[in-house]
Amino acid sequence: SQTIHQWPATLVQPVGSPLSLECTVEGTSNPNLYWYRQAAGRGLQLLFYSVGIGQISSEVPQNLSASRPQDRQFILSSKKLLLSDSGFYLCAWSVSTGKTGELFFGEGSRLTVL
Amino acid sequence: AQSVAQPEDQVNVAEGNPLTVKCTYSVSGNPYLFWYVQYPNRGLQFLLKYITGDNLVKGSYGFEAEFNKSQTSFHLKKPSALVSDSALYFCAVRDRGNFNKFYFGSGTKLNVKP
Repeated sequence: SQTIHQWPATLVQPVGSPLSLECTVEGTSNPNLYWYRQAAGRGLQLLFYSVGIGQISSEVPQNLSASRPQDRQFILSSKKLLLSDSGFYLCAWSVSTGKTGELFFGEGSRLTVL
Repeated sequence: AQSVAQPEDQVNVAEGNPLTVKCTYSVSGNPYLFWYVQYPNRGLQFLLKYITGDNLVKGSYGFEAEFNKSQTSFHLKKPSALVSDSALYFCAVRDRGNFNKFYFGSGTKLNVKP
């Protein structure tokens, strides 16, 4: 069966410090991968998605970037964190074939920028 | 643009009573619709989806949803609520212009009281 892992689960970082959140998927090949941010425990904002290695689509221009160095690895990064980067970051995957599949989410990474 | 709306910020229901969490959509063409549940500090869990066919879709944990094309709605329902159903519920739509993208509603907090 497929599983998705995110780490770290919790992170407290000072303003201006770098960020790296990692996500890996097991049990599937060539998944579509996604990063969402959830602010204040509510709506989800799509940040990035990837349909293959090295292929990144950015939905919202901002202080963050994403990379996909391997088929089942998706990394969210920042060179200098802002206070507004605080939130709950969720990685997700879906099958890349067909049009009807659902998203499967990881357990999330809570980032607090002080 | 594809979108979903959840008009209720919060729904309160007594245990044992039926529950409904509302979702309306704005999609050109036939929509692919989803419901997810999120418990505090956890990732989203998939409940059910509507792709085509029967308007009543059955999902996990006794939940079901009714697709209504004339009212552009996809309401989540359960005949008898449990206290453990208390959580945040999200409706989502898969973008028919770009099937790689999913958009989420703002979420509805369900409170089930004993």
